[in-house]
Amino acid sequence: KAGVTQTPRYLIKTRGQQVTLSCSPISGHRSVSWYQQTPGQGLQFLFEYFSETQRNKGNFPGRFSGRQFSNSRSEMNVSTLELGDSALYLCASSFGTSAGETQYFGPGTRLLVL
Amino acid sequence: QKEVEQNSGPLSVPEGAIASLNCTYSDRGSQSFFWYRQYSGKSPELIMFIYSNGDKEDGRFTAQLNKASQYVSLLIRDSQPSDSATYLCAVIKAAGNKLTFGGGTRVLVKP
Repeated sequence: KAGVTQTPRYLIKTRGQQVTLSCSPISGHRSVSWYQQTPGQGLQFLFEYFSETQRNKGNFPGRFSGRQFSNSRSEMNVSTLELGDSALYLCASSFGTSAGETQYFGPGTRLLVL
Repeated sequence: QKEVEQNSGPLSVPEGAIASLNCTYSDRGSQSFFWYRQYSGKSPELIMFIYSNGDKEDGRFTAQLNKASQYVSLLIRDSQPSDSATYLCAVIKAAGNKLTFGGGTRVLVKP
């Protein structure tokens, strides 16, 4: 079974631009969660989508948004990029039908904001 | 107080020895506990999950959970140089699927 895939793998943007990242979950998984990893803050939860609806949200500003499509693929968008948004963005998928399920991570998108 | 705490290390272990990693959490409502391994520049890879008090073994790895004391640990037996990585403890509270991570423990296995 194919794992979680994320595109693009690397991205360089400048301050003020916006970016869209994509995530395809493991086949059969309907929950997609997004996380941000930085050296200073570690791994932090952004949001979770299930059946095209945002089910959970972390403590990030409104510049961070996401959506999920009917095939469970998900995108996240960051508008008006700031230098501090430079990070590894990870998505993780799970079946989503029970609380506390195991989540499997994709390879991540490394974003550099200049 | 952080919700999930780990010693950042590095934890230096001779090859063949046992590496012992600890993690404490603050929310007594936490019900699902995970250990992920992350190599430098890579994404987290699931090692173990544990839901009930006690021990759970999988190959060279053993996870231990004590909900009364609010800690979860990971033992790596017969440590190999390929086990050198950062080990992340993560917790999910009763509702939802939000993983809350500790800062990770860096493990160095020396030949």
